[in-house]
Amino acid sequence: QSALTQPASVSGSPGQSITISCTGTRSDVGGYKYVSWYQQHPGKAPKLLIYDVSNRPSGVSNRFSGSKSGNTASLTISGLQAEDEADYYCSSYTAISALEVFGGGTKVTVL
Amino acid sequence: EVQLVQSGAEVKKPGESLKISCKASGYSFTDYWIGWVRQMPGKGLEWMGIIYVHDSDTRYNPSFQGQVNISADKSINTAYLQWSSLRASDTAMYYCARSPTVTTPDSWGQGTQVIVAS
Repeated sequence: QSALTQPASVSGSPGQSITISCTGTRSDVGGYKYVSWYQQHPGKAPKLLIYDVSNRPSGVSNRFSGSKSGNTASLTISGLQAEDEADYYCSSYTAISALEVFGGGTKVTVL
Repeated sequence: EVQLVQSGAEVKKPGESLKISCKASGYSFTDYWIGWVRQMPGKGLEWMGIIYVHDSDTRYNPSFQGQVNISADKSINTAYLQWSSLRASDTAMYYCARSPTVTTPDSWGQGTQVIVAS
């Protein structure tokens, strides 16, 4: 199954807002509310940031927000901080395999 | 506190078998799914498959079907990922993750590094 499409890299200055897109199809992102976002620092396990398109687990900063329009989901990081420099992955339920599929990942650089 | 503790790093030869583990604590093991995710060196995350511990309902990513086996032992709160014949291309970090449903893993293990080399 094909991965969801994310930009390879996004950068921003401290305090700015950035948005990462995640494009799929009607069989995954466009067809279900089960879109999640994960943050992964080098050498660490992924961490859940957003689930069900726009919900934040307890303990996740409200600087992270999610949305979806059609077949594209988005993660916005507001008030960018140095600690936000990491890889970010989207994921979605896919009807093709009745499992989850990840995006290719986006490297966020804080300038 | 939910914890998933994975077994240690492995160095194996092509053709050898391997079983890595993921021991869960801090929650009701049988109420959740446990999934396995591969991350090859310098690459992204790939969902391999998932098992519902309660009834052992197991689903595989078609890319991994027949290549690995996912299982769980309810008596010791442990899930497993197993290979019968490793290849060099299996060299990767493997993560287990807990999911309340078949999607959205909300807690992750620390990862198990597997190196396959002759």
